[in-house]
Parts: sequence; C-alpha cells; structure tokens
Amino acid sequence: AQTVTQSQPEMSVQEAETVTLSCTYDTSESDYYLFWYKQPPSRQMILVIRQEAYKQQNATENRFSVNFQKAAKSFSLKISDSQLGDAAMYFCAYRPRDDKIIFGKGTRLHILP
Amino acid sequence: EAGVVQSPRYKIIEKKQPVAFWCNPISGHNTLYWYLQNLGQGPELLIRYENEEAVDDSQLPKDRFSAERLKGVDSTLKIQPAELGDSAVYLCASSLRTSGAQETQYFGPGTRLLVL
Repeated sequence: AQTVTQSQPEMSVQEAETVTLSCTYDTSESDYYLFWYKQPPSRQMILVIRQEAYKQQNATENRFSVNFQKAAKSFSLKISDSQLGDAAMYFCAYRPRDDKIIFGKGTRLHILP
Repeated sequence: EAGVVQSPRYKIIEKKQPVAFWCNPISGHNTLYWYLQNLGQGPELLIRYENEEAVDDSQLPKDRFSAERLKGVDSTLKIQPAELGDSAVYLCASSLRTSGAQETQYFGPGTRLLVL
C-alpha cells in the first residue's frame, strides 16, 4: 500500500533559523509527484513546493527547498530564515501519475519569536 | 482571481439530520475534489470529478453520502443521515487537469461540521 509518513507531529524553530521537516513514503511506482502543503490556522491549504520524481534536481521556492532522495523514498522540506507567518501545519503528499493524492498526518510547526 | 469557495464555513447539526455542503471551484477548472479531514490527520479523498463525471468515488460511503456536480461547475456533498463520527472538516479542491501533465490542486477554506 502507498503510504506517507511524517514522523514529527510537532516542531519548533526560532525565528530566522532553519528547520527541516521529514517525510518518507512507500511506493512501488517509479513515476510520481511529491508535494508539501501548508495549512495555516484558517485551514486553507496552500501548495508550498512540488517535485517530479523523474527530476534529480531538488525543487526550490524562495526560502523553501526539498531534499529528495528517491532511493531512500525520502522527501524533506527545509525552511530557511523562518518567519512568524510560516507557523502552520505542513503536509507531505504523494501522487502517482493519474491517481489520487495521499497525504501524511502533518507536522505542526511553531515559530518562536 | 477568486479562489475555491465553500459554504457554509461551519455547521452544527444533531445526529440523524441531513446536511449539505457547497463548493464553487476556480473558474475554468475541470477537476473537483471533495476531501474529509479529521482532527490531527491529513485530508482523505472522498470523490473526484472530471467535469460532470465522478471518476473516483471509491472512498465515498455511499450508504449515507452523495455528491453531484451538475453542469461540471459547482458541486454539493450531502450526508443523510449524519452520524457523530462524521464530525470533521470537509475540504473542496479544484484543478485544471490535462493528460500527462501535473496539475496543482487549489483548496477551499473547508466546512467544519459538528454532529451532536
């Protein structure tokens, strides 16, 4: 079965520091997509970053970057220069081509001023 | 550009009562999703529409849940009768899905349901 595991239910980071959120997934597929979504307390999910499995280069979006290790089935999210507005639930998600997206249970990120 | 709109934002009902949720996707998006999100969990797909057609409803409890997407635009999700365990957030998302291309799903704010 395809699963997504986020082993850190909660994390805290000092403002302006860097934090890494972990995600592993289980699949037998070779062609798929990976995502990190952010869900602030208002509950509207927002796409943070995505990665195509066939691309070796790690995706980057401003202060957000991923470490994609396909062989290890690992997809961690690094947030640099953390800001108060980064406080939210972060969901790792996996989607095989032409199939439904599967979300992890999420990591709640606290930003300490 | 307006995002995905959902209503109501909150709903409190007594068990065994019916309830309906409404979703208006982003204009031009052909694919619409309904997700269930329990407290402390990630969203789980209930049903996916491509235009008017429900292409994946395998996770929809069909004994009490129903959905429709008339004219391939707005969608409603209904529960009848509601049970205590249905208390959750119901999220709607939409995307422009084309063959072979990766699409981004845009989520609405959700409807928080409390069944008493």
